[in-house]
Amino acid sequence: DAKTTQPNSMESNEEEPVHLPCNHSTISGTDYIHWYRQLPSQGPEYVIHGLTSNVNNRMASLAIAEDRKSSTLILHRATLRDAAVYYCTGGNYKLTFGKGTLLTVNP
Amino acid sequence: NAGVMQNPRHLVRRRGQEARLRCSPMKGHSHVYWYRQLPEEGLKFMVYLQKENIIDESGMPKERFSAEFPKEGPSILRIQQVVRGDSAAYFCASSLQETEVNTEAFFGQGTRLTVV
Repeated sequence: DAKTTQPNSMESNEEEPVHLPCNHSTISGTDYIHWYRQLPSQGPEYVIHGLTSNVNNRMASLAIAEDRKSSTLILHRATLRDAAVYYCTGGNYKLTFGKGTLLTVNP
Repeated sequence: NAGVMQNPRHLVRRRGQEARLRCSPMKGHSHVYWYRQLPEEGLKFMVYLQKENIIDESGMPKERFSAEFPKEGPSILRIQQVVRGDSAAYFCASSLQETEVNTEAFFGQGTRLTVV
């Protein structure tokens, strides 16, 4: 599995964009990059995933570096409900998460 | 379409007892994964099952832990002779295909096991 590195915490204001970075320098060429988030006392929730191209869905955008060693999850307009721990993971079904990034959204 | 259902949500066991955690995957999903989250730590993969088969149990402790996903009924994670260190949140996820393929995993709400 790819080893991932994320900042421990980030802070944003409501309605502003948020860019959450992730380094996954050991990712193999065929591994997808997945992002999940977890609210307190909840199970992880799928956010987005991609392989090489940038991806968009109703929740977020995923920008993947050309060398695939890093990616950035973009929340275009943060809301209070986006406050959570965000995990990126690269690899197969094992989806092993590190400690993730705790995102705080200020009203 | 109901999501991944785990029960019980909270389970208290005394040291030495057995803990049984159940997971019903989403309808139509045949791939089930179990994860453990210790306090203040990230999620750790334990085991990956398909119907009646254990595909990968490399994350499961060698002793006291077992998992099954029978042809009928939920997947079961069994912990025998629990110890305090087993206290954690256990999450189950399911997917249509292996998550390395272009698909996502859906997680349940978890079972919080407390060993006293």
